[in-house]
Amino acid sequence: KQEVTQIPAALSVPEGENLVLNCSFTDSAIYNLQWFRQDPGKGLTSLLLIQSSQREQTSGRLNASLDKSSGRSTLYIAASQPGDSATYLCAVGSARQLTFGSGTQLTVLP
Amino acid sequence: NAGVTQTPKFRILKIGQSMTLQCTQDMNHNYMYWYRQDPGMGLKLIYYSVGAGITDKGEVPNGYNVSRSTTEDFPLRLELAAPSQTSVYFCASSYSGRDHEQYFGPGTRLTVT
Repeated sequence: KQEVTQIPAALSVPEGENLVLNCSFTDSAIYNLQWFRQDPGKGLTSLLLIQSSQREQTSGRLNASLDKSSGRSTLYIAASQPGDSATYLCAVGSARQLTFGSGTQLTVLP
Repeated sequence: NAGVTQTPKFRILKIGQSMTLQCTQDMNHNYMYWYRQDPGMGLKLIYYSVGAGITDKGEVPNGYNVSRSTTEDFPLRLELAAPSQTSVYFCASSYSGRDHEQYFGPGTRLTVT
C-alpha cells in the first residue's frame, strides 16, 4: 500500500526566502506526482504535475522535482511572498487514483 | 467553463439521516472521484468512476454509494449518516487516470450530530 509523507507539517519563513517542501513515498511504481495548494476552507488548486518519466517541472516561481528511485519529490518556491501562505499537498498517482500526503502548512511572514 | 461544481457547500445531518452530495463537471472528463478530508489529514479516496456506468471502490467506501449515469454527474450518497462521516468531501475529475491532472471542486463541509 502506497504511503505518502510530507515533512515538516508546518513551516514559517520570512518574505523573500527561497524554500523547499519535501514529499516521500514508499512505492516507486508510480505514474505521476502532483503538487496542490489548499487555502483555508477552500478546494485544491493543482500547481504542477510530473509524469513518472520526467525529472522536474517548472511554473513561474515553482519548481518540482521527482526522484522515483529514492521515492522523493521536492517543491521549490523561489522568493516567497505572503500570498504563498497555504497548505501544500503532494499526491502520488497510480493507474486510477491519487494517494495524498497530509500536507505542509506554509506561512510566509511579511 | 465552470470546472467542477459541488452542492451543497455546507450541511448538518442528524445521525441516521441520508443525503446526496452532488458533483458536476463540464470539461467532458472521463474520470471522476470522491475524496474525504478529515482535519489535518490528506485526502482519502472513497469511490471513483472511469466513465458513465462504471464505478469502483477506493480506500474508504463503507457507508457510501455512488452512481454515474452521465459523463457530467457523479453523485455521492450517504445512507444512515454517522458521526464518523463528519468531514469535508471533495469531488474531482480528470481526462484520464494516469497522464492527466485532477481538477477539484470547492468541497462540501458535512457535520453529522
